Amino acid sequence: GQNIDQPTEMTATEGAIVQINCTYQTSGFNGLFWYQQHAGEAPTFLSYNVLDGLEEKGRFSSFLSRSKGYSYLLLKELQMKDSASYLCAVRASGTYKYIFGTGTRLKVLA
Amino acid sequence: DTAVSQTPKYLVTQMGNDKSIKCEQNLGHDTMYWYKQDSKKFLKIMFSYNNKELIINETVPNRFSPKSPDKAHLNLHINSLELGDSAVYFCASSPGLANYEQYFGPGTRLTVT
Repeated sequence: GQNIDQPTEMTATEGAIVQINCTYQTSGFNGLFWYQQHAGEAPTFLSYNVLDGLEEKGRFSSFLSRSKGYSYLLLKELQMKDSASYLCAVRASGTYKYIFGTGTRLKVLA
Repeated sequence: DTAVSQTPKYLVTQMGNDKSIKCEQNLGHDTMYWYKQDSKKFLKIMFSYNNKELIINETVPNRFSPKSPDKAHLNLHINSLELGDSAVYFCASSPGLANYEQYFGPGTRLTVT
């Protein structure tokens, strides 16, 4: 079967660093995506990993280990506007579909 | 300019009715998707079209029927609505079938009473 796990909720303080983990079990692997979704809004793309290692994009970085079926999204210098749900999505091999995790709701406190 | 648009934004209807949701993208993308997001925020793929051809058809009740009149449009028709159909439905598009980011529409919140 296909399964993606993320923590349900996390809380962090403004200015801090937070790491959101995602573990996956899929039949093959063909890329991992992170999306941000503010309450009542559409998901928006943050990052994409297909090879092992770290991808950095400003305050956001994403890491992938294919052998461990593991990724994390790292958010630095947290701002109040980062309060949102963060969705991990995996594309399995031989399929065009994206399997989403249930998302991690991040609350940033002042 | 709106990239991916959906109408209506809100839809309240009674059980047993038939309704449609429309989606349009002006990004020139080849691939479009329908997702359902339930109350637990789980986003699940329903259908995908590439150049008007159906390529993903997940296990959804056959009361749901997608239609793609052209590359820029993907509509979703739902017959005999049930309480369990209440959810937010998102349309999305991507440049093609390769690993591209998806651009999501604003969502249609469907409430069945």
